[in-house]
Amino acid sequence: DTEVTQTPKHLVMGMTNKKSLKCEQHMGHRAMYWYKQKAKKPPELMFVYSYEKLSINESVPSRFSPECPNSSLLNLHLHALQPEDSALYLCASSHLMHRGTNTEAFFGQGTRLTVV
Amino acid sequence: AQSVTQLGSHVSVSEGALVLLRCNYSSSVPPYLFWYVQYPNQGLQLLLKYTSAATLVKGINGFEAEFKKSETSFHLTKPSAHMSDAAEYFCAVTSNFGNEKLTFGTGTRLTIIP
Repeated sequence: DTEVTQTPKHLVMGMTNKKSLKCEQHMGHRAMYWYKQKAKKPPELMFVYSYEKLSINESVPSRFSPECPNSSLLNLHLHALQPEDSALYLCASSHLMHRGTNTEAFFGQGTRLTVV
Repeated sequence: AQSVTQLGSHVSVSEGALVLLRCNYSSSVPPYLFWYVQYPNQGLQLLLKYTSAATLVKGINGFEAEFKKSETSFHLTKPSAHMSDAAEYFCAVTSNFGNEKLTFGTGTRLTIIP
């Protein structure tokens, strides 16, 4: 199983709503990532979890709240979003990168989020 | 700090022609380099990766890339383009020093002309 599964595929939410994006992998990866991708742009890193601990937060606004409840699951909790937060949200996972090793990130299909 | 530059935000080739997508990297440490492809409304799929074991890397769907340290390049090629190759292609870089950050280039949209 080399899949990263994201749900839902599409989400429309109002600016006062609270919603969550979910991501799951069963490849034994201990690094998991959230990326945000705007149209015609490359993915931008938001958060990295290593061994279920937040290791990188790229100065993301607090209205985005990540959570890694176990080694297979990654959530992104959304609250009070703005229309400019509309984007494709991608989850990825990989083995941890240590000195002398190389590994690639596996990406999910993404959640297309629209904030109205 | 690491970065990649993709020359040409949009490349068009005829079906059956050579595909060449350019990527140059900048890194103060030995880099790990990747090419990803993204079809419309999809996630990213790995095409190939540079592992330092071989400078010529073969990937899926007939693509290959050559790591040239002297030119700091990792260009992606395919001898004969297919209509199904039309997509967005991203070059990306990271390092082997325990840094989980994957830095992407700005992307190249490949259009195939019938």
